[in-house]
Amino acid sequence: EAGVVQSPRYKIIEKKQPVAFWCNPISGHNTLYWYLQNLGQGPELLIRYENEEAVDDSQLPKDRFSAERLKGVDSTLKIQPAELGDSAVYLCASSSERGPTTMNTGELFFGEGSRLTVL
Amino acid sequence: QKEVEQNSGPLSVPEGAIASLNCTYSDRVSQSFFWYRQYSGKSPELIMSIYSNGDKEDGRFTAQLNKASQYVSLLIRDSQPSDSATYLCAGFYGQNFVFGPGTRLSVLP
Repeated sequence: EAGVVQSPRYKIIEKKQPVAFWCNPISGHNTLYWYLQNLGQGPELLIRYENEEAVDDSQLPKDRFSAERLKGVDSTLKIQPAELGDSAVYLCASSSERGPTTMNTGELFFGEGSRLTVL
Repeated sequence: QKEVEQNSGPLSVPEGAIASLNCTYSDRVSQSFFWYRQYSGKSPELIMSIYSNGDKEDGRFTAQLNKASQYVSLLIRDSQPSDSATYLCAGFYGQNFVFGPGTRLSVLP
């Protein structure tokens, strides 16, 4: 079974340029997450989807970040314009489980990440 | 206070020793906890979950949860160089997972 696929793996851009990241979750996983991970830090949630609905985007900086999940499968995260502080790894994760319950295994399947460098 | 806190390390232990990784959490974090392992340059992977007070063992790994003290730990027995990685503690905050900053473990041969 294929895992979570992300692209591109690496992206170097100049500040003020746009950038987009793509994620294909594991087949059948309805829940999709985008996380941001800075060096030496844990992943921080940007947005969570249940199917095509963004159920939590409270941490997404909406002035420059946008995301979509058309048809409840693939997802795209966009930054426009990029700033120096956006340099980080952008992780996509998927799960077959909805929200936290006592029976939730807590297993998120992460992609390899997209490393962004803004110059 | 951050929702989930960990000592960033690095924690260095000799091969064969017990590595003890610790995590504390705020009372806003619900009491199901997860340990993820992240090798350098790779993505996190789940290695243990614990939902109730006490110990949970899986092979060389033991997770411990103490709700009264708001404390979660991961013990790795017979540590191997291949265990060298960053270990992330995670819990539920609202409807989402929240991760600690991770503890970097180095197992010395």
